[in-house]
Amino acid sequence: EVQLLESGGGLLQPGGSLRLSCAASGFTFSNFAMSWVRQSPGKGLEWVSAISSNGGSTYYADSVKGRFTISRDNSKNTLYLQVNSLRAEDTAIFYCAKDLSSVGATTFDSWGQGTLVTVSS
Amino acid sequence: DIQMTQSPSTLSASVGDRVTITCRASQSIRSWLAWYQQKPGKAPKLLIYQASSLESGVPSRFSGSGFGTEFTLTISSLQPDDFATYYCQQYNSYLVTFGGGTKVEIK
Repeated sequence: EVQLLESGGGLLQPGGSLRLSCAASGFTFSNFAMSWVRQSPGKGLEWVSAISSNGGSTYYADSVKGRFTISRDNSKNTLYLQVNSLRAEDTAIFYCAKDLSSVGATTFDSWGQGTLVTVSS
Repeated sequence: DIQMTQSPSTLSASVGDRVTITCRASQSIRSWLAWYQQKPGKAPKLLIYQASSLESGVPSRFSGSGFGTEFTLTISSLQPDDFATYYCQQYNSYLVTFGGGTKVEIK
């Protein structure tokens, strides 16, 4: 059974930084692209970033480009998202999602339970 | 970026009703469209990919159709477990975008 377990969320001040992690199990992590998708309270889904299976290609939404960095450690079956220069509008539940493909963001067939990031002074 | 527009934003229906949700893309995305179901406090669940392919384990009352810029998700006979919010998502490029969501409520 595929399991994705996010961690690292919390309450931060504007301008702050943190690193989100997603521990994967139940599948061959190194064979699949992974993404981060976020959801602001009471709002819809917003794709944030994706990384190919070998980590060689990364993709970002315009809203986070230059502030967020996605990475992965296939030896640890873990996906990361470094988030810097946080803004109030970054307040959201961040989900990690497994892709059907190996190359980038396409279709997300498994999701974690999410980790909440709150940005407030 | 490709914009995805869903309609309606809210839909009231009864158990047993046939329900159709529409998703329109701002440019052609061929068949690169997925549908997800999300219940309150839960992560989204994949229902349909490549416009019409049913994800394993999803009931056959769910179906998807469309090509290019207009797509539909149909629930042939609404069940109590189907009251939720539904999102479309395009993946014509690796910069994916979601629709705004359609909340299916009990009438």
